[in-house]
Amino acid sequence: SAVISQKPSRDICQRGTSLTIQCQVDSQVTMMFWYRQQPGQSLTLIATANQGSEATYESGFVIDKFPISRPNLTFSTLTVSNMSPEDSSIYLCSVETLDTQYFGPGTRLTVL
Amino acid sequence: AQSVTQLDSHVSVSEGTPVLLRCNYSSSYSPSLFWYVQHPNKGLQLLLKYTSAATLVKGINGFEAEFKKSETSFHLTKPSAHMSDAAEYFCVVNTNAGKSTFGDGTTLTVKP
Repeated sequence: SAVISQKPSRDICQRGTSLTIQCQVDSQVTMMFWYRQQPGQSLTLIATANQGSEATYESGFVIDKFPISRPNLTFSTLTVSNMSPEDSSIYLCSVETLDTQYFGPGTRLTVL
Repeated sequence: AQSVTQLDSHVSVSEGTPVLLRCNYSSSYSPSLFWYVQHPNKGLQLLLKYTSAATLVKGINGFEAEFKKSETSFHLTKPSAHMSDAAEYFCVVNTNAGKSTFGDGTTLTVKP
């Protein structure tokens, strides 16, 4: 299994500002994934982050809005840029190991 | 392409009675299938997974699921519901290394 931690666990931000979410894994993994869970909804994949290369974004998500860093095999960050109330969601980091996907506890973001 | 349909958005059972949460999937390739549970304000927890071994999969907390290829189904069951089972349940299909597709979720309510 993999143990994933995220910082911050929650935040309240003003529109127009940016927030960087950190994800730390207790083992080295090739790919890390970022998901969004909007209020009352299911999870949607934002992007896949490989160490040493640019992240791959899913349809509807762009790098300017959600820049991702992946400096090493145990860490990644997701920035939510120029936030609006529509960005209020839970953001989850995920990794896959031994054919199973594990999720971090999530970062609950509220944008006012 | 892959997709998941959870047939019931809400399921309500009485404590001690059986639970059935239905999931159908669509996949171009042999899928891995998962059930996750999310308790209020908590992270996602893996209940069980199917990865082409035994078609009847046993998970934690007395849950099990049966993979039926002919019906493209992966329904989750439990013989006797407990109050602590009340949560959101997600069926997930993964055929593309880590790029999981989530169902819309089923809210399970357990009545005393």
